[in-house]
Amino acid sequence: ETGVTQSPTHLIKTRGQQVTLRCSSQSGHNTVSWYQQALGQGPQFIFQYYREEENGRGNFPPRFSGLQFPNYSSELNVNALELDDSALYLCASSFVAGDYNEQFFGPGTRLTVL
Amino acid sequence: AQSVTQPDIHITVSEGASLELRCNYSYGATPYLFWYVQSPGQGLQLLLKYFSGDTLVQGIKGFEAEFKRSQSSFNLRKPSVHWSDAAEYFCAVGAGEYGNKLVFGAGTILRVKS
Repeated sequence: ETGVTQSPTHLIKTRGQQVTLRCSSQSGHNTVSWYQQALGQGPQFIFQYYREEENGRGNFPPRFSGLQFPNYSSELNVNALELDDSALYLCASSFVAGDYNEQFFGPGTRLTVL
Repeated sequence: AQSVTQPDIHITVSEGASLELRCNYSYGATPYLFWYVQSPGQGLQLLLKYFSGDTLVQGIKGFEAEFKRSQSSFNLRKPSVHWSDAAEYFCAVGAGEYGNKLVFGAGTILRVKS
């Protein structure tokens, strides 16, 4: 069983640009969640996807969007980047089947917006 | 809305000393509660969780936590700290139907003196 992986590890973008971050879930996991962790803060829930449909969203604007694919991979897209989008972005996957199951976190993508 | 407070931003303890990290939560129902650890460059690792039942829960790496409903607290403890425990610790409450939309505290950075 492989762990959760994320790519790229680091990324530098300019304000106004668009970015796509990628996550590869553990095999068989049907749920992926994305979190934003600003420097010195705890992670904040962005949204969750369950079986390729959005299943809950945190307090983030629509320019944050996502996709989940059948092959256990997922994407976080951020349009019109702002300086405050600089953060560590974490994805977490789990298998949900009517009860809680542990989420496994990836190592994160560090995004810097200049 | 759910919230988590970790009153201590930094804590320094000597190796071999005991440790207690504080966590207070705000949640309307019986909460799912978690403690995670994050080492530099690493993702979040689950130390332990509480859903129901025995209010003292055991986790990995010798950690334990006690759920106190009357105090809305879920403090993390370890009887004897090792230098390898130096990391950032996050308390979280699980929102959503299966408790897998996590609301994190701001974290406590643990430094271990030799």
